[in-house]
Amino acid sequence: AQKVTQAQTEISVVEKEDVTLDCVYETRDTTYYLFWYKQPPSGELVFLIRRNSFDEQNEISGRYSWNFQKSTSSFNFTITASQVVDSAVYFCALGMNRDDKIIFGKGTRLHILP
Amino acid sequence: NAGVTQTPKFRILKIGQSMTLQCTQDMNHNYMYWYRQDPGMGLKLIYYSVGAGITDKGEVPNGYNVSRSTTEDFPLRLELAAPSQTSVYFCASSYGGGENIQYFGAGTRLSVL
Repeated sequence: AQKVTQAQTEISVVEKEDVTLDCVYETRDTTYYLFWYKQPPSGELVFLIRRNSFDEQNEISGRYSWNFQKSTSSFNFTITASQVVDSAVYFCALGMNRDDKIIFGKGTRLHILP
Repeated sequence: NAGVTQTPKFRILKIGQSMTLQCTQDMNHNYMYWYRQDPGMGLKLIYYSVGAGITDKGEVPNGYNVSRSTTEDFPLRLELAAPSQTSVYFCASSYGGGENIQYFGAGTRLSVL
């Protein structure tokens, strides 16, 4: 069965600290896709990144970086030098090209304290 | 760049009333989805569609109906509203299935009192 686990329900850090959001997935497929979405207090879900199972290179985009490790079935998200605007709920998701849907984790609520 | 548009943004219903949540996308996406998000919770899939004329149930379809007569529109119908349907409803669309990015609308916040 396919599954996405975001074990951290809620995290609070002080501004400028680094923070890592964990995502562990389960699938028996060899081809799959991993996603991260951000849901700020305004409510709309915003796509951040998609990574396929054949590309284990880490990705960096500004203060955001993603660490994909197939050996541990993890796709963790790190925010460096966090800012108050990073406060949001972050969702990790898993999709397979044989499926019509993607599977979302339950989300991690991140509070960046000024 | 309209993307996925949902109307209305807010609605209050009385128990037993019915309503339709509208969703329109202008990206020519084949796949469309309806999710609900209860307060402080994650997303639950209600219904989805892989193309005009084709719909299928998600994990929480009871109390809802959908139709897909055009590629652009995917309305969600609530019949006989109940307090348990108080939630935020999101519509999303994508080019294809699980390998594709889903793009979300801004959501409809529904209260059933």
